[in-house]
Amino acid sequence: DTGVSQDPRHKITKRGQNVTFRCDPISEHNRLYWYRQTLGQGPEFLTYFQNEAQLEKSRLLSDRFSAERPKGSFSTLEIQRTEQGDSAMYLCASINRGLTPGELFFGEGSRLTVL
Amino acid sequence: QKEVEQNSGPLSVPEGAIASLNCTYSDRGSQSFFWYRQYSGKSPELIMFIYSNGDKEDGRFTAQLNKASQYVSLLIRDSQPSDSATYLCAVNNGNTGKLIFGQGTTLQVKP
Repeated sequence: DTGVSQDPRHKITKRGQNVTFRCDPISEHNRLYWYRQTLGQGPEFLTYFQNEAQLEKSRLLSDRFSAERPKGSFSTLEIQRTEQGDSAMYLCASINRGLTPGELFFGEGSRLTVL
Repeated sequence: QKEVEQNSGPLSVPEGAIASLNCTYSDRGSQSFFWYRQYSGKSPELIMFIYSNGDKEDGRFTAQLNKASQYVSLLIRDSQPSDSATYLCAVNNGNTGKLIFGQGTTLQVKP
């Protein structure tokens, strides 16, 4: 499969626990994005990487959120001390810089439920 | 004011009709405009993008852009039940690929 892969697809956790999501982009894509989507809303930008460099982070992202992309390949998004308001679908997307900016290829998402 | 605004719907049209989806944006510096389709429980997928004022056609889909009015629309001709989905408008004001999405409009095409 050559698409964007996300893991786990579903995560149920208790408030206060830490969770980590993984994204494997399309192999030749050098830009990787994280978005969050809640029911009835469009995806909300969280952060993006070009290769291993994190170039932008949403000011809406609290200090409990951290993302990495070591070696410019897969990426992880960690949420520490989860809160019920963190319940959402976390979407990863990738693109090759040579393609149309904004022509994002999304993964199937990781759905987080915080109890 | 939201950066990208869409009517959440639902917009209901009969099969074979034209569906018209609208979007307005607040940032006059926005350079490119995208329509994504999202089926229930699935991730968004790109349908069309447009950069220049006017119309852009691709099969049954036509995107329209009016930068002076800060308005983007998507027309779907000969609507099919398989077109039933949420349509997300998104704008990009640079070359980073970072998109600002609207809340989406739910389209229902009734057989």
